[in-house]
Amino acid sequence: AQSVTQLDSQVPVFEEAPVELRCNYSSSVSVYLFWYVQYPNQGLQLLLKYLSGSTLVKGINGFEAEFNKSQTSFHLRKPSVHISDTAEYFCAVSGDQAGTALIFGKGTTLSVSS
Amino acid sequence: SQTIHQWPATLVQPVGSPLSLECTVEGTSNPNLYWYRQAAGRGLQLLFYSVGIGQISSEVPQNLSASRPQDRQFILSSKKLLLSDSGFYLCAWDQREGLEQFFGPGTRLTVL
Repeated sequence: AQSVTQLDSQVPVFEEAPVELRCNYSSSVSVYLFWYVQYPNQGLQLLLKYLSGSTLVKGINGFEAEFNKSQTSFHLRKPSVHISDTAEYFCAVSGDQAGTALIFGKGTTLSVSS
Repeated sequence: SQTIHQWPATLVQPVGSPLSLECTVEGTSNPNLYWYRQAAGRGLQLLFYSVGIGQISSEVPQNLSASRPQDRQFILSSKKLLLSDSGFYLCAWDQREGLEQFFGPGTRLTVL
């Protein structure tokens, strides 16, 4: 069975500082990995995804993530955050077999202050 | 392009009243459809998913039910709301299980 662990429930940072949001997964099969962002009172928006190929994935809003199979991680990074990046971030995993839906982590709240 | 709609955007209902939330998808056919709930500080909880008209799978036993009367319409219902039903309800779709899901704007439900 697959599972996702987001290691930090809250991450406070100052504007223009770098940030890393951590995500670890467990799976016995090949995986697809996703990061979503949710702004207050809105639905989830896809930031980036890893399906195959290059382990460094670039997404929208300057975010990137690196798939590390040996460490079963898919951490999200941004070199310099803005106030507008304040939001909830969800990591999700699925398998490449039919019938495996997305499994979401519990989310990380990123709070950017000036 | 595909779009997903949810209504109403917000809803305040008394305990014991019925509920009907609607979700529709445009620009695609035969989507998989999902209902999630977010309670404060508890992440995303998958409630129901559907792979076709009339086909509903329930992930969590509760007083909610779902129906899919048309290919691109997904309805979440309750006969009698509980206080614990309060939360943010999200509808989502995908074209194949395991690939990215696309989310609607959500419905904020407050049960008083």
